[in-house]
Amino acid sequence: TQLLEQSPQFLSIQEGENLTVYCNSSSVFSSLQWYRQEPGEGPVLLVTVVTGGEVKKLKRLTFQFGDARKDSSLHITAAQPGDTGLYLCAGAKGSNYKLTFGKGTLLTVNP
Amino acid sequence: EAQVTQNPRYLITVTGKKLTVTCSQNMNHEYMSWYRQDPGLGLRQIYYSMNVEVTDKGDVPEGYKVSRKEKRNFPLILESPSPNQTSLYFCASRTTNSNSPLHFGNGTRLTVT
Repeated sequence: TQLLEQSPQFLSIQEGENLTVYCNSSSVFSSLQWYRQEPGEGPVLLVTVVTGGEVKKLKRLTFQFGDARKDSSLHITAAQPGDTGLYLCAGAKGSNYKLTFGKGTLLTVNP
Repeated sequence: EAQVTQNPRYLITVTGKKLTVTCSQNMNHEYMSWYRQDPGLGLRQIYYSMNVEVTDKGDVPEGYKVSRKEKRNFPLILESPSPNQTSLYFCASRTTNSNSPLHFGNGTRLTVT
């Protein structure tokens, strides 16, 4: 059973378009993280959200944690080819050390 | 520079030949973990360690061993590799705060023939 469902699995868009990717679960998480992974490298943390309803912005990226802390979204405004990569969400539960990863959304931004 | 270093980056081996993938971090992190990444299956945790001499199974531990004799090192051992262990492996570390970022190595691509 996949605890964190990411959608869409694949997304190919043109430079300048906006997009949203989703991370959904039936479980409550104490925090949720988003990572980006580029080919040949390990994932790199983009943001951590910990409060239900929280919104964080990182330049053209906007992250939101659902009110019930079961879901999250990542919105990219005016996507650029440099945004291309695999976007992974990962949830933590309380003091449990385990971090559960979604399967990721593979984003391609074409120039 | 703060980093997690894995070696080797690429490894091709044959079924049954024991191998070790090394992982070292220079951030004094208590927590270290091994993941494998496979198409369509995402990142799955193999083993993790909360501190020296403390290790525990993740979601897919079968066929793997780990040890944590020093804080900085967390090697992954495949005693008798099989083709279904062909995968991309990542080592990661972080502090004991579950909200802190996981720092990943650059991966080891293993092929078992």
